[in-house]
Amino acid sequence: SQELEQSPQSLIVQEGKNLTINCTSSKTLYGLYWYKQKYGEGLIFLMMLQKGGEEKSHEKITAKLDEKKQQSSLHITASQPSHAGIYLCGAVPIQGAQKLVFGQGTRLTINP
Amino acid sequence: NAGVTQTPKFQVLKTGQSMTLQCAQDMNHEYMSWYRQDPGMGLRLIHYSVGAGITDQGEVPNGYNVSRSTTEDFPLRLLSAAPSQTSVYFCASSYSSFRGGGNTIYFGEGSWLTVV
Repeated sequence: SQELEQSPQSLIVQEGKNLTINCTSSKTLYGLYWYKQKYGEGLIFLMMLQKGGEEKSHEKITAKLDEKKQQSSLHITASQPSHAGIYLCGAVPIQGAQKLVFGQGTRLTINP
Repeated sequence: NAGVTQTPKFQVLKTGQSMTLQCAQDMNHEYMSWYRQDPGMGLRLIHYSVGAGITDQGEVPNGYNVSRSTTEDFPLRLLSAAPSQTSVYFCASSYSSFRGGGNTIYFGEGSWLTVV
């Protein structure tokens, strides 16, 4: 079965600093979703990547899927308090599937 | 547009009791699924459905039942609650992959369940 490993598990950064969260898969990724979660709330969709080498950006968040399609990174530029939360990556384990295998999450804290 | 709606938001059950977590979506999505989230383990798939009348098991199906009588609703039933089922439950929905790749998977806001 496919496994996803997120690193780091926890991250504390100063407001205004850049940061990167990685998501590494044990098998080929047929699609990779990034979500953000705040405590007590649901999952907010950030981005979805499908093609090797693909890169997408939304506001100050950029996600990339590497060429070999086994790793994705999420980069936040000039972090703000609103970026704090838990970031989850979810992999599509089979071509065309609409069910996800998730990493354990990365807890991001932004210090003012 | 309500998206994916889950009820209840919070529930406390006694061991052995039964209950149903409700999930409804108003986006005419074919695909619906239930996940549970436990500390340090991310989300794990319980059951999923690719359309009305069709359901299948996910990674952790034991102790849960589902049915899909309509496109809009996908209830999750706990027949005899156990403390190990204390968790946060999320419902998700999306279009079928046959509509094309890159479909966004939408999640509800979660249901916090405690079994004592």
